[in-house]
Amino acid sequence: QSALTQPASVSGSPGQSITISCTGTSSDVGGYNYVSWYQQHPGKAPKLMISGVNKRPSGVSDRFSGSKSGNTASLTISGLQGEDEGYYYCSSYTTNRTSVFGGGTKLTVL
Amino acid sequence: EVQLVQSGAEVKMPGESLKISCKGYGYDFTTYWIGWVRQMPGKGLEWMGIIYPGDSDLRYSPSVHGQVTFSADKSISTAYLQWSSLKASDTAIYYCARQYTTSSPFDYWGQGTLVTVSS
Repeated sequence: QSALTQPASVSGSPGQSITISCTGTSSDVGGYNYVSWYQQHPGKAPKLMISGVNKRPSGVSDRFSGSKSGNTASLTISGLQGEDEGYYYCSSYTTNRTSVFGGGTKLTVL
Repeated sequence: EVQLVQSGAEVKMPGESLKISCKGYGYDFTTYWIGWVRQMPGKGLEWMGIIYPGDSDLRYSPSVHGQVTFSADKSISTAYLQWSSLKASDTAIYYCARQYTTSSPFDYWGQGTLVTVSS
């Protein structure tokens, strides 16, 4: 199972919006609405930010939103804040009854 | 409060065996899957597989199948990841995390266990 494809890095200024893409295939992202997004700060465990393509767990800011079109899912962060800086990983369920992560995207808040 | 608490850091030599643990608190351990996620130094997250402590049903990623073994002891709410013969390439942080179904997200994570394999 190949890793999902994410851009290596994105950046934005405070207050701006950014979008991170996550491209898979019809066997994972395109085949199921089971895409999740995780935030990871250096030295910390990942934190769930989005599940089921566009659902925010309790306690996650509404500045975070998710969407999907075909084989590509996206995470949008609006009103960028310094605390948003870190790494973001997408994940999808697959036809093999396993899951797969994306390669990760480093978000820099300028 | 839901918590997953992992065992401490390990330093091992190539060829040695190792078993690390992940203990669940604050929920019914037998009704959630436990997943294992590897993060090699400076790299991204890699899904290794999952185990259902209720009946020890297992799924392994093809990349680790045969290289590691998952197990669980539901009587003490603990899942395990073990190696019979470590390699230097096993050096990584290993996270456990729980999910309600095999297609659910990982909603709670352990703090991670750093495994260093070096001669």
